[in-house]
Amino acid sequence: GAVVSQHPSRVICKSGTSVKIECRSLDFQATTMFWYRQFPKKSLMLMATSNEGSKATYEQGVEKDKFLINHASLTLSTLTVTSAHPEDSSFYICSAREGLRQETQYFGPGTRLLVL
Amino acid sequence: QQQVKQSPQSLIVQKGGISIINCAYENTAFDYFPWYQQFPGKGPALLIAIRPDVSEKKEGRFTISFNKSAKQFSLHIMDSQPGDSATYFCAASMSTDKLIFGTGTRLQVFP
Repeated sequence: GAVVSQHPSRVICKSGTSVKIECRSLDFQATTMFWYRQFPKKSLMLMATSNEGSKATYEQGVEKDKFLINHASLTLSTLTVTSAHPEDSSFYICSAREGLRQETQYFGPGTRLLVL
Repeated sequence: QQQVKQSPQSLIVQKGGISIINCAYENTAFDYFPWYQQFPGKGPALLIAIRPDVSEKKEGRFTISFNKSAKQFSLHIMDSQPGDSATYFCAASMSTDKLIFGTGTRLQVFP
């Protein structure tokens, strides 16, 4: 149980285009989903927290207009990187938490984004 | 005060040995301490977690030791295997708040 999927697993795009990454909880309803960014050999950096049906809460320094997060259902959250630039190239990972009183976060497999 | 300090940065252990990774925190309001294992190119996977009312928790070869007064907790991997070679992250949170991650420890287990 507690499986989180991400799609696509890797994507290459041209500078200036937008890329959408999907995060799905497959066998549970995710009240809260998180989006992280990870640079090579570094720790996970939280970008934003999203609760189903409400606006995402972004961490300090994360551009809201650049990283659009939507959590329209209890099993799906999307991260759209708008007008991507090479510096946006990174490993993006989502996690999901079941219920408002659950601490455990289950992570997806990650999406490797390369912007040319 | 929100930081979680993790050490060592890297660890080399021989097969069959014990791997020990340490973490320290400042915020006494933290009440949930998970450990995650991450293989290259994959997302982190929850290994084991502990709450402050328990000093030790064991699951198979993995044990968390928790010292509330010292604000430290550690992961022990007994009988380390080459398949355990991965990056390990400790984390802490206040109840259902966001996780604060340590900087990670890259473990290499040699046969």
